[in-house]
Amino acid sequence: ELKVEQNPLFLSMQEGKNYTIYCNYSTTSDRLYWYRQDPGKSLESLFVLLSNGAVKQEGRLMASLDTKARLSTLHITAAVHDLSATYFCAVDGEDEKLTFGTGTRLTIIP
Amino acid sequence: DTGVSQNPRHKITKRGQNVTFRCDPISEHNRLYWYRQTLGQGPEFLTYFQNEAQLEKSRLLSDRFSAERPKGSFSTLEIQRTEQGDSAMYLCASSRDTLRQYFGPGTRLTVT
Repeated sequence: ELKVEQNPLFLSMQEGKNYTIYCNYSTTSDRLYWYRQDPGKSLESLFVLLSNGAVKQEGRLMASLDTKARLSTLHITAAVHDLSATYFCAVDGEDEKLTFGTGTRLTIIP
Repeated sequence: DTGVSQNPRHKITKRGQNVTFRCDPISEHNRLYWYRQTLGQGPEFLTYFQNEAQLEKSRLLSDRFSAERPKGSFSTLEIQRTEQGDSAMYLCASSRDTLRQYFGPGTRLTVT
């Protein structure tokens, strides 16, 4: 059974600082997704990573995938308040269904 | 592209009642997924369709749950004899083949 773990689960960081969220998964997969969720809202797709070494960047967020280490990272650069949200990684297993991590609740403090 | 829509957005029901939710996917998407999300957790897969065929069901989907996608377009998820443990956000997503899944706004179910 595919397991997906994220850390940290909670993260408070000051505006302007950099930080990284980690996503580990237990079985072979070469497709990984990052989603953002605001309180009470649905999931917004951020990144799709489809191969080993893939790196995608959008604004202050950058995601990467290392399929050999079964690890993805979401790096936040110079955080701003409107990045406060819960971030989920999700892995596409052989059965073509997504398994989500537990999420990282990010709070940016002015 | 109007996005994935779900109705109702909120549903409050008494234990033992039946409820039905509807999902309208993005029009050219052939795959449709249902997930359940409880507070503080990530979404959990329930079932998915490719066109009108239901291809997989999670063990989470007890026999009180049934999903249909009769013409390969919209889908319904029915819960019979609701229990308090069914209270959750029910999310629908759609995709074209196995590409990125786009999520709807969800239906929040509260069972009293």
